[in-house]
Amino acid sequence: AQRVTQPEKLLSVFKGAPVELKCNYSYSGSPELFWYVQYSRQRLQLLLRHISRESIKGFTADLNKGETSFHLKKPFAQEEDSAMYYCALTTYYNTDKLIFGTGTRLQVFP
Amino acid sequence: EAGVAQSPRYKIIEKRQSVAFWCNPISGHATLYWYQQILGQGPKLLIQFQNNGVVDDSQLPKDRFSAERLKGVDSTLKIQPAKLEDSAVYLCASSFPMAYEQYFGPGTRLTVT
Repeated sequence: AQRVTQPEKLLSVFKGAPVELKCNYSYSGSPELFWYVQYSRQRLQLLLRHISRESIKGFTADLNKGETSFHLKKPFAQEEDSAMYYCALTTYYNTDKLIFGTGTRLQVFP
Repeated sequence: EAGVAQSPRYKIIEKRQSVAFWCNPISGHATLYWYQQILGQGPKLLIQFQNNGVVDDSQLPKDRFSAERLKGVDSTLKIQPAKLEDSAVYLCASSFPMAYEQYFGPGTRLTVT
């Protein structure tokens, strides 16, 4: 079965420090992977997807098929990055069905 | 552009009572999703509609949960009777078919006592 694992419930860093939010997945086919973010008192929203290979708000994520990982990285954290981050995947058979991880709360201290 | 609307925002009921949630998707979005998010977990898909047809309801507890999307626009999700373990946030999302981005509503927080 498809599964997304985010091993850290909470990640705390100081402003300006590098950030890496870990995401591992299990799926025998070729997944499409996403990071969704939920800021305080806001809706869950898409941050980035692996196919687009973009940098959004300074965040990047690279799909590593060998390690089945899709870690989210930012070289210099900002206080406004504090939020709940969810890794998610969709499969070839249902490209609309998102399977979410349990989420990691990122706290950036001043 | 108006976002996905959900009501009510909060609901407290006793176990064995029934409850209904309403969702209005973004105009033009043919695909609508209901997710259940239990505290400390990620959202879990309950049911997916395309227009007024069900695409996936494999994780919907059909003995107590039902959902409909009449006329392919608004949708309602019902729980009858509710159990304590149904306490969660119920999220509605919508998208264009086969589009990669889903747009989420604010959610309804259900507490079953």
